[in-house]
Amino acid sequence: GAGVSQSPSNKVTEKGKDVELRCDPISGHTALYWYRQRLGQGLEFLIYFQGNSAPDKSGLPSDRFSAERTGESVSTLTIQRTQQEDSAVYLCASSLRQGRAYEQYFGPGTRLTVT
Amino acid sequence: GDSVTQMEGPVTLSEEAFLTINCTYTATGYPSLFWYVQYPGEGLQLLLKATKADDKGSNKGFEATYRKETTSFHLEKGSVQVSDSAVYFCALSANDYKLSFGAGTTVTVRA
Repeated sequence: GAGVSQSPSNKVTEKGKDVELRCDPISGHTALYWYRQRLGQGLEFLIYFQGNSAPDKSGLPSDRFSAERTGESVSTLTIQRTQQEDSAVYLCASSLRQGRAYEQYFGPGTRLTVT
Repeated sequence: GDSVTQMEGPVTLSEEAFLTINCTYTATGYPSLFWYVQYPGEGLQLLLKATKADDKGSNKGFEATYRKETTSFHLEKGSVQVSDSAVYFCALSANDYKLSFGAGTTVTVRA
């Protein structure tokens, strides 16, 4: 079956512009996660959605970052007024349910470059 | 806060060599521990996991044992192949969903 997909795969933007990144989770997966991977570093948790519950936004680095998810489908991560330090690979993952017993399946990521 | 420290790379090995990647963690409570792998040009995927002390996770010839006394989860493989060339990430989950990752270790296996 189809895995997690993300678009675009690459995005180059100028400092100060807004960008929107998209994630399509595996069908039927109720939990969705966003992570960020800066060059040479591990993944940082950004935000988590579970069904219709309030999302855990504790990992968002600033108020320029926001994310939405409609029901149990597509999610978008928006970065406003991009800065050079936002350059990273943004990874989305989904799992069947919340809980450590459920594997998180990762998408291929969106590589964002802010010039 | 929760954190993972893993051996810095890159690591270069010959085929059939023994591979060890060290991983230690800091966490409250009793986290679950994971190794993820990212092969060239592919997405991140789960390699193995352990959910409680003394558990051993294994997959594709790789093994890691959850050591609570040393807060470690070292990854080992007895005889690596060229196809094992990848970036390996150690991770933990101290709650039900948030993963904390190490910086990753790049492994290159030469024929």
